[in-house]
Amino acid sequence: KAGVTQTPRYLIKTRGQQVTLSCSPISGHRSVSWYQQTPGQGLQFLFEYFSETQRNKGNFPGRFSGRQFSNSRSEMNVSTLELGDSALYLCASSLATSGDTDTQYFGPGTRLTVL
Amino acid sequence: AQSVSQHNHHVILSEAASLELGCNYSYGGTVNLFWYVQYPGQHLQLLLKYFSGDPLVKGIKGFEAEFIKSKFSFNLRKPSVQWSDTAEYFCAVTSRSGSARQLTFGSGTQLTVLP
Repeated sequence: KAGVTQTPRYLIKTRGQQVTLSCSPISGHRSVSWYQQTPGQGLQFLFEYFSETQRNKGNFPGRFSGRQFSNSRSEMNVSTLELGDSALYLCASSLATSGDTDTQYFGPGTRLTVL
Repeated sequence: AQSVSQHNHHVILSEAASLELGCNYSYGGTVNLFWYVQYPGQHLQLLLKYFSGDPLVKGIKGFEAEFIKSKFSFNLRKPSVQWSDTAEYFCAVTSRSGSARQLTFGSGTQLTVLP
């Protein structure tokens, strides 16, 4: 079974621009979560989508948004990019059929550099 | 709010040495516990997980972890490390209450195994 895929793998943008990242979950997985990984802050939760609805959101500004499509694929968008948005953005998917035993599997990430 | 502490930021061992990485979490309710590993240039991979039952869980590549509820700990162990175990290791926790399943990560431990 194919793993979580993310596109693009690398992105270079300039301040003020916006960016859209894409994530395709493992087949059959219904929940998609996004995380930001930086050397200073580590791995931080951005948001989770389930059945096209945002189920949970981390402590990030409104410039960070996302959505999920009916096929469970997800996109996240960052508007008005800042230098501090440079990070590895990770997507994780899970079955979400039983909350008590749900396990998230991660994709390779998208490396975003803001100049 | 949940938090996870990993006490060792960087551990250096020689091959065949035994490994123990500490992980403590702070949360008043029931949790699921995970260890993920990030090998150089690779994506975050699941090493092992604990949901309930036997507090000693075994994962891939000879790793194991013990959940000690009274100490809020979930330490990772391996009796004999190999050079290929060089990687960054992350402890993570999710709450078992509610529908949200966001992972809260520790800051990570960089393990370097010398040949």
